[in-house]
Amino acid sequence: KNQVEQSPQSLIILEGKNCTLQCNYTVSPFSNLRWYKQDTGRGPVSLTIMTFSENTKSNGRYTATLDADTKQSSLHITASQLSDSASYICVVNGNFNKFYFGSGTKLNVKP
Amino acid sequence: GAVVSQHPSRVICKSGTSVKIECRSLDFQATTMFWYRQFPKQSLMLMATSNEGSKATYEQGVEKDKFLINHASLTLSTLTVTSAHPEDSSFYICSARGVGPDRGYGYTFGSGTRLTVV
Repeated sequence: KNQVEQSPQSLIILEGKNCTLQCNYTVSPFSNLRWYKQDTGRGPVSLTIMTFSENTKSNGRYTATLDADTKQSSLHITASQLSDSASYICVVNGNFNKFYFGSGTKLNVKP
Repeated sequence: GAVVSQHPSRVICKSGTSVKIECRSLDFQATTMFWYRQFPKQSLMLMATSNEGSKATYEQGVEKDKFLINHASLTLSTLTVTSAHPEDSSFYICSARGVGPDRGYGYTFGSGTRLTVV
């Protein structure tokens, strides 16, 4: 069964600290994996996209990793800011426009 | 980058009326549009997929006669919630997939529409 599981479900960190969010998937075949940031009441915004051959991709303070062998991905946020408070969603693209969504990690950055 | 404009952002309607939500791709041609709904504290749930010029494909359990999807052009798709009921109150989000470099890998989301049926 094609699934995407994210952990932790929620996370509270202090401003300025780093954190890492996890995404494990069983989707096969695999096309690509995206991390999205979704602010409350807004549509998701793409942070990174990674294909099978890519191991690491950065976007500012966001760094995503992908291990296609173990089917694991992580999103590392460096020097967190209050504006990083949001839900982070891992989405795996299989074939033929099939997208599998994780349930998201809700991050709360506190001053 | 690719932008998808979704309107309205919020709408309140009376039970039994219909509501139309529009999604436009502003700087690319959206060959495929996806429509999602999202309940509070839950992830997005795909409702239907539509390709320009053809009928939408609905996910299991989604009533096609209640959620009318039109994708008549490469830049516009609409979702009409017909005879809305309070249980249809939700956050509706579209996403568009285009063609070309960087657009073939994934898709861009609209900003969402908060529908409240009273």
